[in-house]
Amino acid sequence: DAKTTQPPSMDCAEGRAANLPCNHSTISGNEYVYWYRQIHSQGPQYIIHGLKNNETNEMASLIITEDRKSSTLILPHATLRDTAVYYCIVRDEGGKLIFGQGTELSVKP
Amino acid sequence: DSGVTQTPKHLITATGQRVTLRCSPRSGDLSVYWYQQSLDQGLQFLIQYYNGEERAKGNILERFSAQQFPDLHSELNLSSLELGDSALYFCASSVDSRPNYGYTFGSGTRLTVV
Repeated sequence: DAKTTQPPSMDCAEGRAANLPCNHSTISGNEYVYWYRQIHSQGPQYIIHGLKNNETNEMASLIITEDRKSSTLILPHATLRDTAVYYCIVRDEGGKLIFGQGTELSVKP
Repeated sequence: DSGVTQTPKHLITATGQRVTLRCSPRSGDLSVYWYQQSLDQGLQFLIQYYNGEERAKGNILERFSAQQFPDLHSELNLSSLELGDSALYFCASSVDSRPNYGYTFGSGTRLTVV
């Protein structure tokens, strides 16, 4: 079973920052937080991952709370092409990614 | 192009038949994962291989089997197909199975059972 809780849907205005929350209250110390997105029926696309520290790459930023029980994915300037289902996943030492239902992000003009 | 190649892209077959889906991982990746995505189930983990050996099993039916060959490509075999097996099947690969390495997904095979 997925170890994360995400809102089922969110809206964001084009050009604004999209902040997608995720709760993972049962995460253990050596488990990573991963974010993927899936646009329509394409293969899921890797966005970012982190263990304890905040992370940033060319796509997004990942903010992990100090207690690691929640995190936020930030898309700094959302575009219409960012409309997708976003999955927050806790990945354990076994290495499997177990997907939940994700958040359906709609970026509107 | 993610570097993970799945063939065929589309497959239509009849109930009771058997099909084989193929996946070529990204160059240098040793681990292959198979997922099934149907409309009402979301992305379900099926099975993982690492360097030719099975590493983990998820919600894979007994009618389904997989293997990873010495050249690291993988095949997912689906037999005695039922209407409910209609779904997108994704393959993903990673360097290894350690949790700090992400997966790269292919574009999937859409299976329709009629």
